[in-house]
Amino acid sequence: DIQLTQSPSFLSASVGDRVTITCRASQGIDSYLAWYQQKPGKAPKLLIYDASTLQSGVPSRFSGSGSGTEFTLTISSLQPEDFATYFCQQLHRYPWTFGQGTKVEIK
Amino acid sequence: EVQLVESGGGLIQPGGSLRLSCAASGFTVSSDYMNWVRQAPGRGLEFVSLIHRDSGTYHADSVKGRFTISRDNSKNMLYLQMNSLRTEDTAVYYCARGAPFFFWGQGILVTVSS
Repeated sequence: DIQLTQSPSFLSASVGDRVTITCRASQGIDSYLAWYQQKPGKAPKLLIYDASTLQSGVPSRFSGSGSGTEFTLTISSLQPEDFATYFCQQLHRYPWTFGQGTKVEIK
Repeated sequence: EVQLVESGGGLIQPGGSLRLSCAASGFTVSSDYMNWVRQAPGRGLEFVSLIHRDSGTYHADSVKGRFTISRDNSKNMLYLQMNSLRTEDTAVYYCARGAPFFFWGQGILVTVSS
């Protein structure tokens, strides 16, 4: 199975901060990577797919980059509604695996 | 509007069986990948099963031989038949559309406990 390792697992940030989350794959996955946001008690929500394509309706402060084995999700200016847990997912090879998650909390 | 609504969860004893259902609206289940994903309490996301447009299926090793994904095109429903349930299957189960998962249901809790 392809392992995805997110870093950090937890981060504390303030409104307005620029935040970057990294997702590293155990082998190359081209650009078959998606990012999801999950709030407590809710289903995940797709933010970005194909590593850098913004899902319709997602604010432009979210962006994704990378290919191969290293990927990043960036929030350019953190907003109160962005405090949540973020997961990456690879869709290059079955089983489609997820990273362990990064929890973004208010400083 | 696309909607996915799961049902059929609950408390079940180890070794028991349960069938989860996912009612789809706003699209046809045969037109896209359909998936089941689960999340154990306080844990991350785990891909469980998928069914292709062409009816081909894939199951994660952790559920292979115990779980079966299927769909009923006439009812526009997705199912997950879960047999030989174990305590480690306890989780919120989500159905999700697409690859990646563009749309998700609200989730349904399955608790496997004696």
